[in-house]
Amino acid sequence: DIQLTQSPSFLSASVGDRVTITCRASQGISSNLAWYQQKPGKAPKLLIYGASTLRSAVPSKFSGSGSGEEFTLTIISLQPEDLATYYCQQLNSYPYTFGQGTRLEI
Amino acid sequence: QMQLQESGPGLVKPSETLSLTCTVSGGSIIGYYWSWIRQPPGKGLEWIGYMYHNGNTNYNPSLKSRVRISVDSAKNQFSLILSSVTAADTAVYYCAREGVDAVMETNYYDYWGQGKVVTVSS
Repeated sequence: DIQLTQSPSFLSASVGDRVTITCRASQGISSNLAWYQQKPGKAPKLLIYGASTLRSAVPSKFSGSGSGEEFTLTIISLQPEDLATYYCQQLNSYPYTFGQGTRLEI
Repeated sequence: QMQLQESGPGLVKPSETLSLTCTVSGGSIIGYYWSWIRQPPGKGLEWIGYMYHNGNTNYNPSLKSRVRISVDSAKNQFSLILSSVTAADTAVYYCAREGVDAVMETNYYDYWGQGKVVTVSS
């Protein structure tokens, strides 16, 4: 199985800040990586796929980059509603796997 | 707007079988891969497996001996069966659609159900 390691696991930031979350794969996965936002008690919501393509209707404050083994999710101009846990997922090979999550506190 | 809704018992006894159904509305089940994903309390996400509308399946090896996913295209539903459950199977179970970007040749989970809490306890 491909392991995904996110860092940091916990992130505390302030309103207006810019934050970056990293996701490292145990082997190359091309650009077959998605990012999700999960708010407490809710299902995950797709933000970015193909490592860098923003899903339609997702605010442009979210951006993704990377390929191969290292990927990043950047969020600018943080707002209280961005409080959530963020997960990366590889869809390069089965079984699909997720990172352990990064909990963002505002 | 596509919507997915999980249904089934919220409490299952140890050693018994967990059975959940996902009803898809606002779109057809035909032509897509449909998955189950679970999340134990306070933990991360685990992919369980998928089914294509033609019956093709792929399961997580960690659960393969106990899991089966089936589809009822006429009802626009697909189902999860997990046998011989233990407390470790206590989780929120999500059904989700795997979307495809044919140009980029990449996939993603674009529609999710709200989740069904399933507790394994006697």
